Amino acid sequence: AQSVTQLGSHVSVSEGALVLLRCNYSSSVPPYLFWYVQYPNQGLQLLLKYTSAATLVKGINGFEAEFKKSETSFHLTKPSAHMSDAAEYFCAVSDRRSSNTGKLIFGQGTTLQVKP
Amino acid sequence: DVKVTQSSRYLVKRTGEKVFLECVQDMDHENMFWYRQDPGLGLRLIYFSYDVKMKEKGDIPEGYSVSREKKERFSLILESASTNQTSMYLCASTGRGETQYFGPGTRLLVL
Repeated sequence: AQSVTQLGSHVSVSEGALVLLRCNYSSSVPPYLFWYVQYPNQGLQLLLKYTSAATLVKGINGFEAEFKKSETSFHLTKPSAHMSDAAEYFCAVSDRRSSNTGKLIFGQGTTLQVKP
Repeated sequence: DVKVTQSSRYLVKRTGEKVFLECVQDMDHENMFWYRQDPGLGLRLIYFSYDVKMKEKGDIPEGYSVSREKKERFSLILESASTNQTSMYLCASTGRGETQYFGPGTRLLVL
């Protein structure tokens, strides 16, 4: 069975500091991986996705993530945090065998706090 | 621009009421999903639909039903609302790709 684990339900960084949000997955076949962001009282918005092309994926708002098969990880990073990055972030995995239905399995989410 | 809309942003209902949550997408997507979101639990799939009149249970279908009579519309029904169904409800859709597009969510309070 597939699963996603996000390490740390809350992460706090200072403005301008590195952002690192951790995501580990389990999947019996090469997965598709996603990061979504949710701002307060809004739906989820796609940040970036990995679908077996380049292992380093660049997304919107300066975020990027690296797929590491040996570590079964897909951590999200941003070199310099901005106050507007404060939000909840979700990692998700899609089993390619069910990709025609678009089903995703989500992690429990990480709330990013950015301090001035 | 892709668009998924939900009929209400905030809803207050009483225990025992029948509740309808509507979701409409304008992208001609085959697949649509209903999730509930609770603090510390992430998103949990209630039901999804892969075609008109087709549906499958997700991880937490108990107490819910769905309807998909037209491709663009996917309804979530709480037959008899209970206080433990107070939550944020999110609708999403996807075509043959994998990216899910989400609506803004409906925050439901059951008193």
